[in-house]
This record gives sequence, C-alpha cells and structure tokens, in this order.
Amino acid sequence: NAGVTQTPKFRVLKTGQSMTLLCAQDMNHEYMYWYRQDPGMGLRLIHYSVGEGTTAKGEVPDGYNVSRLKKQNFLLGLESAAPSQTSVYFCASSYAGTQQFFGPGTRLTVL
Amino acid sequence: RKEVEQDPGPFNVPEGATVAFNCTYSNSASQSFFWYRQDCRKEPKLLMSVYSSGNEDGRFTAQLNRASQYISLLIRDSKLSDSATYLCVVNGGGSYIPTFGRGTSLIVHP
Repeated sequence: NAGVTQTPKFRVLKTGQSMTLLCAQDMNHEYMYWYRQDPGMGLRLIHYSVGEGTTAKGEVPDGYNVSRLKKQNFLLGLESAAPSQTSVYFCASSYAGTQQFFGPGTRLTVL
Repeated sequence: RKEVEQDPGPFNVPEGATVAFNCTYSNSASQSFFWYRQDCRKEPKLLMSVYSSGNEDGRFTAQLNRASQYISLLIRDSKLSDSATYLCVVNGGGSYIPTFGRGTSLIVHP
C-alpha cells in the first residue's frame, strides 16, 4: 500500500518548457487535489477532481492544466513554464469530507 | 477576511511548556475540522481530527467552538520533536474541498 506517490521528486525547467507531474493513489479515493506551496505561504489549491473524468479550478489555476482519466491518477501540466511557477507541488487524495493523504512533493525550479 | 485564519507565529517555547494555538473560520456551515503537522520541506500529515465534544490524543488536545467559530490545539509537555508548522483545516459548508490556514510555526528549544 504505497499511499500517494508523486513523480518526479525534483525537476529543473527552462522558461517556456512544458512538463507533466504525475500523482497516483492506491486508496480508491474519489477526491484528488494539486497544491503549490511557496516560502512563507500556506498551501494554495491549483485544481482538484471529485471523480474520474472530472476536474475543477482551485484558487490559483492559471498556467496549469489537469486531467483525471483514471481514478487513481491525477496529472498536472505546465504548458509553458514561468519562473513564477517555481514552487513545491503537493498532490493529495481523500474521500469526501475526510482527512487528506499527501504525496511527498515535487520541487520544481523554473530558470 | 480569509476563510481560515491562524497566527503564523513563530511560537518559541522551552521543552516541557504548554502551548496553545487557535484557528478561526468564517463559514458557519463548516462540518469537519482537522489539525495537520508539516515538518520543514515535507508533506503535511494528519495530527488529529477535531470533534464537537473535543478530543485528546496523548499530549495533544483539540477543541471546537462552533458558536465562536474557532478550533484550538493544546500541546502539553512540549518536546523538541514537536517543532513544526501546524495547519488548521476546515471542510464542508457546501463543498467537500478543504480550506487550509497558513499554519502556525512552533519552535521548541532546550
């Protein structure tokens, strides 16, 4: 039982490059979330999903896209990376209204 | 007004001290409440859920005051290992999407 896993753990991009972050969970959770966390800031919700095939915007969705083609996976895409997207990205999953389980995070630097 | 507010601290306390954090929330229809702990550069992990009647887990006690719309966390006999950021999370009120506070930093020193 791996819980929530994220790949990659670290990544360095140049401005304008694209990449996809993968989140996988093996707990059969309906809800999945992508957050970013910047120094001195709390967790900010980028996008979330309440079930396979559904996604919704969170607090800071601009510059990101997501897909939930399979219940266990939630992908976060950056189409054209910008230095402002340098951050730590956390994925989480949960049942509705219950505790969230977080992945270990992806540390992304955009030069 | 932020939906969930916490004093960012840091709270700097000696080992053995008792420390308390509060967290206020704005949505009176909120239904579930949690405290998470986040160590530096690590993912948040559930510390404890907060129940209406209050609940205790070892040295940790959580309380909910619905009338005043706040939750609290009390840590007794602080240990060096308690040093972390404590995140307040509020859920419900028309949505099952959790709302996080920015966290309260605790530093326990010898």
